[in-house]
Amino acid sequence: AQSVTQLGSHVSVSEGALVLLRCNYSSSVPPYLFWYVQYPNQGLQLLLKYTSAATLVKGINGFEAEFKKSETSFHLTKPSAHMSDAAEYFCALTAGNNRKLIWGLGTSLAVNP
Amino acid sequence: DSGVTQTPKHLITATGQRVTLRCSPRSGDLSVYWYQQSLDQGLQFLIQYYNGEERAKGNILERFSAQQFPDLHSELNLSSLELGDSALYFCASSVASGGEQYFGPGTRLTVT
Repeated sequence: AQSVTQLGSHVSVSEGALVLLRCNYSSSVPPYLFWYVQYPNQGLQLLLKYTSAATLVKGINGFEAEFKKSETSFHLTKPSAHMSDAAEYFCALTAGNNRKLIWGLGTSLAVNP
Repeated sequence: DSGVTQTPKHLITATGQRVTLRCSPRSGDLSVYWYQQSLDQGLQFLIQYYNGEERAKGNILERFSAQQFPDLHSELNLSSLELGDSALYFCASSVASGGEQYFGPGTRLTVT
């Protein structure tokens, strides 16, 4: 069975600091992995996706994530946080014939001035 | 703008009532998904339809039902509403059954 674990339900960083949101997965077959962002009072928006091409994936708003099979991780990073990055971030995967999206519980990112 | 539309944006109703939430998927998408998001439960997958047929069920209560019509829009019906049903309800769509999904702006339901 597949699963997604997001480490840290709340992360707080200073403006200009590195953003690191952690996602670990479990899958017996090669997964596709996704990061979504949800701004306050809005729907979820696809940030980036890994679909077995390049292991380093670049997304919107300066975010990127690296697929590390050996660590079963797909952590989301951004070199310099901006106030507008404050949001909820969700990691998700789909794998094999079961293409249902499996969701992490989300990480709330706060950016302090 | 994801291309997925949901109506209404807000809905306030009383306990015991029934409401219908509507979703129009992105042009060309055949799958529609419904999610419930609340503070205490997080994002919960409810149900998926693909080209008019139910494809997957999640944590959907028996008081809730959904359908996808020939024009691919979908409706989520919530009946015998309880205070605990107050939440954001999202619809998402995808081209095929599974893979990346595109979300609508949600319907905020308040049950009083």
